[in-house]
Order: sequence, then structure tokens, then C-alpha cells
Amino acid sequence: ETGVTQTPRHLVMGMTNKKSLKCEQHLGHNAMYWYKQSAKKPLELMFVYSLEERVENNSVPSRFSPECPNSSHLFLHLHTLQPEDSALYLCASSQDNSPPFNEQFFGPGTRLTVL
Amino acid sequence: QKEVEQDPGPLSVPEGAIVSLNCTYSNSAFQYFMWYRQYSRKGPELLMYTYSSGNKEDGRFTAQVDKSSKYISLFIRDSQPSDSATYLCAMSVTGTSYGKLTFGQGTILTVHP
Repeated sequence: ETGVTQTPRHLVMGMTNKKSLKCEQHLGHNAMYWYKQSAKKPLELMFVYSLEERVENNSVPSRFSPECPNSSHLFLHLHTLQPEDSALYLCASSQDNSPPFNEQFFGPGTRLTVL
Repeated sequence: QKEVEQDPGPLSVPEGAIVSLNCTYSNSAFQYFMWYRQYSRKGPELLMYTYSSGNKEDGRFTAQVDKSSKYISLFIRDSQPSDSATYLCAMSVTGTSYGKLTFGQGTILTVHP
């Protein structure tokens, strides 16, 4: 496997379910990100982890819970979601503090549908 | 007012046309300007980035930044059907510090043979 992988690629869940999204990066990076991409809206940054510590939480509802057990893996735990949470969830990684510019590498995303 | 405005299109052009994609922004602190390309069922991938004002060329692609007007453009020359994708502009204040990016909503481009 190369780059950034995400599983599952598609997920349908009811509002009372609990599920988790998984992201794995094979690039040796030290920062990982969760983004939400909704139709006709800009990508929204949700969480940032650097060296396994959360450094950004962009006012995301508590029904989304991130976990970063090590620098290669990132999870997004989902519970009691709402239909408006249906979107494409993208994971990205970068090697932070390698000037002048940190390119973010994105995974293919998980298409989430909340019924 | 959104920090970054991008016309979502869709934009449809014939093969070989010159394509112009644009974004405007309001935060004068932005210094890094990026264009990402996103194919259907894929994540965004970085096409080009530019620091501050000026032009940058890479093959058929040219990125322009006009900081005085808070306006950035991506030009695609001799467009090909394989260029059909969503193009996202993105900006950041710095190039590091977790690379916090502010995105436009993306322009859907179709190049038809």
C-alpha cells in the first residue's frame, strides 16, 4: 500500500449506530487531518493531529470523536449522527515543519450516508 | 463573506480550449496559494502552489496570484478530456504549522472531445 488509504470507502448508517472510519498513511508523515467535504461547500477542516497530539479541533460536534494511536493511523469514531452529517470524509497527512511548504496528501475518502 | 470564493461551475469546454479558473479571497494574510485537482471518487491532489504574488508555470498549467486584487487564477492550455475534474483553490497564511488550508468550494470542469 502506498500513500494514504481509507476504509471503508462507503458507509451507510442509521442515526443510532456507532461506526468508525480508519485512515492509514504510508508516507512517514508526522501530521494527519480529517476533513469533511459536502456538496457545493468548501472542504472543512475538522481535526489536526501532530505527533499524535490533537492540535486543532474546529468546533466539531462531540458526535465525532477522533483518535490517533500512532503517527500512521487516524480514526474517526461516529455516534448518534444526523442526516446532515452525510458527506465525503477525507483524511490527509503531511510532514510538518519541513519548509518552505507542507504538501497535504489526501486519501480517497469515505462516502458516509446517514439515514 | 466567505474567506475564499470560487465559482462552482460547472464549466464545459471543448478539447484544446484554454481554461481559466479563478478564486477571490478576503484575508490579506494569505501567502501560499494552491490548486488541487480532484477526480471523481478520489481525494484532492496538489497541482501547483505559489508563494506570494506572481506566475508559475508547469507544462500546460499556469498559476497566477495578484495579491493587490486578492485574486488567483489557474490557466490550462490545450485542455484534454483527462483534465475533467473538480479544481479546488486553497490558501494558507504559512507553509508550515500543520499547513492549515482554507479552500474554495471547487469548480467542476468537463473537457469534451
